[in-house]
Amino acid sequence: AQSVTQLGSHVSVSEGALVLLRCNYSSSVPPYLFWYVQYPNQGLQLLLKYTSAATLVKGINGFEAEFKKSETSFHLTKPSAHMSDAAEYFCAGLDTGRRALTFGSGTRLQVQP
Amino acid sequence: DAGVTQSPTHLIKTRGQQVTLRCSPKSGHDTVSWYQQALGQGPQFIFQYYEEEERQRGNFPDRFSGHQFPNYSSELNVNALLLGDSALYLCASSPSGANYNEQFFGPGTRLTVL
Repeated sequence: AQSVTQLGSHVSVSEGALVLLRCNYSSSVPPYLFWYVQYPNQGLQLLLKYTSAATLVKGINGFEAEFKKSETSFHLTKPSAHMSDAAEYFCAGLDTGRRALTFGSGTRLQVQP
Repeated sequence: DAGVTQSPTHLIKTRGQQVTLRCSPKSGHDTVSWYQQALGQGPQFIFQYYEEEERQRGNFPDRFSGHQFPNYSSELNVNALLLGDSALYLCASSPSGANYNEQFFGPGTRLTVL
């Protein structure tokens, strides 16, 4: 069974600083991996997805993530944080057998002025 | 093009009651999945409907049941509500073709059980 682990339940950065949110997955085969963002009292919005094509995936709002099989990681980065990036971020993997997403526990990103 | 819609937005029930939540998928999508997101946690998969049948199910008791209609919309029913059922319930839709791996989420229904 697939599992997804997000390191750090809270991350705080200054506006303009690098954002790095960590995600590791456990799977016997390269999975489909996703990053979602959730703003307060809203649903989930897809930021980007990895589907075994390019290992560096670019998403919306300047975010990108790199799939590293050797490290079983799929960390999310953004070169320069903006106040509007403050939200909850979830890493998820797709169990292709069940076609169901397995989510990490989430990382709350705070952006300080 | 409307995305995934859910109703109601908020709901308050008491223990032991029953509740029905509704979801309309994104246009062109025929598969609907339901997730439960407890406060401070990531969403947990409840079940998935395709062709009006429950195709997959997560680790949830039989109190949780669902239905999919011919127009692909779906309902989630929860019987004998417990305090622990308080959560945000998210519906996600996806196509059955080559892009089946991408799930689009609705805004959710916030259920509070008192």
